[in-house]
Amino acid sequence: EPEVTQTPSHQVTQMGQEVILRCVPISNHLYFYWYRQILGQKVEFLVSFYNNEISEKSEIFDDQFSVERPDGSNFTLKIRSTKLEDSAMYFCASSELEGRETQYFGPGTRLLVL
Amino acid sequence: DAKTTQPPSMDCAEGRAANLPCNHSTISGNEYVYWYRQIHSQGPQYIIHGLKNNETNEMASLIITEDRKSSTLILPHATLRDTAVYYCIVSFKGTYKYIFGTGTRLKVLA
Repeated sequence: EPEVTQTPSHQVTQMGQEVILRCVPISNHLYFYWYRQILGQKVEFLVSFYNNEISEKSEIFDDQFSVERPDGSNFTLKIRSTKLEDSAMYFCASSELEGRETQYFGPGTRLLVL
Repeated sequence: DAKTTQPPSMDCAEGRAANLPCNHSTISGNEYVYWYRQIHSQGPQYIIHGLKNNETNEMASLIITEDRKSSTLILPHATLRDTAVYYCIVSFKGTYKYIFGTGTRLKVLA
């Protein structure tokens, strides 16, 4: 069964450093999403992406964040200058069509900013 | 804020049916109800979704009331591996992001 994959599974970085989280969505999916979950808190929407453009972003997704689909398979989330409060699990998801299509989530990347 | 309300926790005996309720009284006519679960800090796992008819798949059944203001996820024979946080999500009108609430923490007891 096809699934969303994410790398790395764990990332430790120093405050102020840039990090890139990588996702490989399911191959025939067209819509891509990033969510995050701070330890003990809710899963929060960050951004949705379609046709090489951001469809929607939350207020969390400020100028420090960016997303890219650099090739036909990868979808990346970049945090330019990490802060302590960026420490969280980051989940990538994809769906075949937007709207009422099911989103499938990857296993997540645990980011720890020191 | 989430458009759904769920009890914070429930226990269920192993082998018994687990019935997880969800209220979504402000649901619009074309909005679907989705159920996901999260085991530990793993990625949310899709379980089932529906619009107005009851649905069943290999994992669970979904019962939606006729007025669509509430639903129940049924795990027919709960196992210890079903211990997880279960989220009921209504797709947000006009956009397709998921708004997660705090979910129901289901503990299956041996």
